[in-house]
Amino acid sequence: DTEVTQTPKHLVMGMTNKKSLKCEQHMGHRAMYWYKQKAKKPPELMFVYSYEKLSINESVPSRFSPECPNSSLLNLHLHALQPEDSALYLCASSQVTGRDYGYTFGSGTRLTVV
Amino acid sequence: EDKVVQSPLSLVVHEGDTVTLNCSYEVTNFRSLLWYKQEKKAPTFLFMLTSSGIEKKSGRLSSILDKKELFSILNITATQTGDSAIYLCAVASGSRLTFGEGTQLTVNP
Repeated sequence: DTEVTQTPKHLVMGMTNKKSLKCEQHMGHRAMYWYKQKAKKPPELMFVYSYEKLSINESVPSRFSPECPNSSLLNLHLHALQPEDSALYLCASSQVTGRDYGYTFGSGTRLTVV
Repeated sequence: EDKVVQSPLSLVVHEGDTVTLNCSYEVTNFRSLLWYKQEKKAPTFLFMLTSSGIEKKSGRLSSILDKKELFSILNITATQTGDSAIYLCAVASGSRLTFGEGTQLTVNP
């Protein structure tokens, strides 16, 4: 299995809703990432988990709450989002160390906040 | 702060043309430079470069890294309409992957 699987593919939520984005990989990668991508812009790093521990939080608002329950799963819990949070949310994974590694991206969740 | 700059930002060519996309970077703790192609969804991996001067090739696409001058180029020969996409350059530094703004390539028939 060489894929990163993200669900759901599309999500529409109201500003008072609570929802979660899910990401799963079975490549044995011990680093997992959340990126946010707005239209016509490159992906921006939100969070990095390394060995299931949060290692980087790029000053993301607390209405985004990441969780890494085990080495294969990464969640992003959403609460009280704003319309400007509408974007493509990408999950990625990689090896933590070593020379020959690469980042594998999931197909993303397109989120619309209404 | 890590910085990745791509040029040009936009490029329109005709089928059969050869294009060269540029990526320069300033990062601490460089690990690798990666090229991705993005159409409507997630970025699709093209190349990962870690050593200077070694060309990576896949069909009509090739890429090379110059770690002394801190840049990379992505070449596409005999372009096709299916090559139309945004090409993203990203540099891995520590645990971070920093992207450039991308080059929007349009190949007209």
